[in-house]
Amino acid sequence: DIQMTQSPSSLSASVGDRVTITCRASQSISSYLNWYQQKPGKAPKLLIYAASSLQSGVPSRFSGSGSGTDFTLTISSLQPEDFATYYCQQSYSTRFTFGPGTKVDIK
Amino acid sequence: EVQLVESGGGLVQPGRSLRLSCAASGFTFDDYAMHWVRQAPGKGLEWVSGISWNSGSIGYADSVKGRFTISRDNAKNSLYLQMNSLRAEDTALYYCAKANTYYYDSSGYYLDYWGQGTLVTVSS
Repeated sequence: DIQMTQSPSSLSASVGDRVTITCRASQSISSYLNWYQQKPGKAPKLLIYAASSLQSGVPSRFSGSGSGTDFTLTISSLQPEDFATYYCQQSYSTRFTFGPGTKVDIK
Repeated sequence: EVQLVESGGGLVQPGRSLRLSCAASGFTFDDYAMHWVRQAPGKGLEWVSGISWNSGSIGYADSVKGRFTISRDNAKNSLYLQMNSLRAEDTALYYCAKANTYYYDSSGYYLDYWGQGTLVTVSS
């Protein structure tokens, strides 16, 4: 199975900060990498698909990059509503796996 | 507006069964694969099972294979998860999610809509 790791596991940041979250796959997954945002008590929400494509309705301050095994999610200027947990997910193999999550909270 | 509404969760004893349902609306249900994803309390997301648009291909996580059965009724715009031989480690919030593809195992799929989940608690 393809293992997904994320770093950091949590971070504290201030409104306006640039935030970068890293996701790494245990083997190449091409660009088959998605990012989801989950707020407490809510269902996950798709942010980025195919490593770098922004889902409709998602603010442009979110961006994704990477291919192969290393990927990043960047929030260019953190807003109050962005405090949440972020998960990456690979859809390369049929053993679909999520990363363990990165919690972004207020500094 | 796409809506996915799960139901059927509850408290169940270990070894017993439960059937989850997901009612879909706002999109052409039989044009898309569907998935179940679960989240244990305070933990991350775990893919459970997926089913293609015509039920022709189905997949399960190793942790539930042989115990859970996914199915769909396109005439009723509904997705199901039959859970047998339940264990304490199956305790989780179970989400129904729509994929962007016909086939559940298409490389590059993503889950673009999610329900709010139904809680399954396995305890004696």
